[in-house]
Amino acid sequence: GIQVEQSPPDLILQEGANSTLRCNFSDSVNNLQWFHQNPWGQLINLFYIPSGTKQNGRLSATTVATERYSLLYISSSQTTDSGVYFCAVGRTNFGNEKLTFGTGTRLTIIP
Amino acid sequence: KAGVTQTPRYLIKTRGQQVTLSCSPISGHRSVSWYQQTPGQGLQFLFEYFSETQRNKGNFPGRFSGRQFSNSRSEMNVSTLELGDSALYLCASSLGGTGWGEQFFGPGTRLTVL
Repeated sequence: GIQVEQSPPDLILQEGANSTLRCNFSDSVNNLQWFHQNPWGQLINLFYIPSGTKQNGRLSATTVATERYSLLYISSSQTTDSGVYFCAVGRTNFGNEKLTFGTGTRLTIIP
Repeated sequence: KAGVTQTPRYLIKTRGQQVTLSCSPISGHRSVSWYQQTPGQGLQFLFEYFSETQRNKGNFPGRFSGRQFSNSRSEMNVSTLELGDSALYLCASSLGGTGWGEQFFGPGTRLTVL
């Protein structure tokens, strides 16, 4: 199956700092999503980005499908950005619809 | 549109019992997937249902089963519970079909097995 690696595993930053989270995957995909897991466990959709670049406020993401990686950028971090960020990938093949998750990046923003 | 809902949110069971969890997808979504999250194994795919048929299954023992109803609501069942089944169980819905697309997750059911 597809392997997904996220880096760094942990990141501690001061409020206001910028950060880049990376997701590498081992095979071609046509589904890639970034999630933020809140303290209660819910996965919040950040981006659906199998290729290209998207921006949403202070967050943006880029996926270079041909090189099998995606980056999540967080600018001007706030304490509410703390939590675990997951990258998940999938390959649509009728009958094989599942997301494979990375192990996550735990982000801690210090006031 | 209402999001994905899961019931119950918390559950405590003892070893050997069975449990049924429920998931209601976003209106119009026909695919429902289930995932298990544990500190040791992370997020792992259990199975996916589309139009009342199981289309894909992860590497879990037969004690884990599921079904989907005609209104796309889904249930998963775990029989003969073991301590290692303690986990957060998440369900996700998507449009399904050939335009599988973005998945949206519910708040999860936290299962504790004593």
